[in-house]
Amino acid sequence: DSGVTQTPKHLITATGQRVTLRCSPRSGDLSVYWYQQSLDQGLQFLIQYYNGEERAKGNILERFSAQQFPDLHSELNLSSLELGDSALYFCASSVDWGPNTGELFFGEGSRLTVL
Amino acid sequence: GQNIDQPTEMTATEGAIVQINCTYQTSGFNGLFWYQQHAGEAPTFLSYNVLDGLEEKGRFSSFLSRSKGYSYLLLKELQMKDSASYLCAARAADSSYKLIFGSGTRLLVRP
Repeated sequence: DSGVTQTPKHLITATGQRVTLRCSPRSGDLSVYWYQQSLDQGLQFLIQYYNGEERAKGNILERFSAQQFPDLHSELNLSSLELGDSALYFCASSVDWGPNTGELFFGEGSRLTVL
Repeated sequence: GQNIDQPTEMTATEGAIVQINCTYQTSGFNGLFWYQQHAGEAPTFLSYNVLDGLEEKGRFSSFLSRSKGYSYLLLKELQMKDSASYLCAARAADSSYKLIFGSGTRLLVRP
């Protein structure tokens, strides 16, 4: 158990819908990262927050948005869902942000299926 | 830009040694990570190299050569449970410091 909690674990929805994925980082970790992993693909970086502020953005679609709240949990919002959005969405956390940051700790992921 | 290459699949025998290579081309570099990921599960941290050389941790070792943009993960005394994907990731040296992952190497350990 990494200490990173993600909900829901599984989600099935229809095209055009909107979903929210939630992540609670490890106790004491200030940075939260979101990654997308499609079938048999690598982890694609979406976005990162540090202590409530956005720090880095990857190839995140305009239909997707995220935020980190004062209690440091984060939410990833996916809207106008398409079939191609079906994937595992991982949240990860680290103690801080910077060149000497250690490893990322990953949650179990939220598996999204869009029908 | 950033690019990380690793073999797609490898097969090895239980009890043997296997080396998984990773090459990276990044506009900057700030450390190389290896993660293990079983199918459908979370990636788990294995090792981290920021300086050249070998880091040993039990049955797992990782090597880095920054001048060559090259790393490898060495797994000794392979066990069936080592069948998994192994992900190489480089930390970007820009202000994002994000981890950029390769597509992973799927390792199959056979009896």
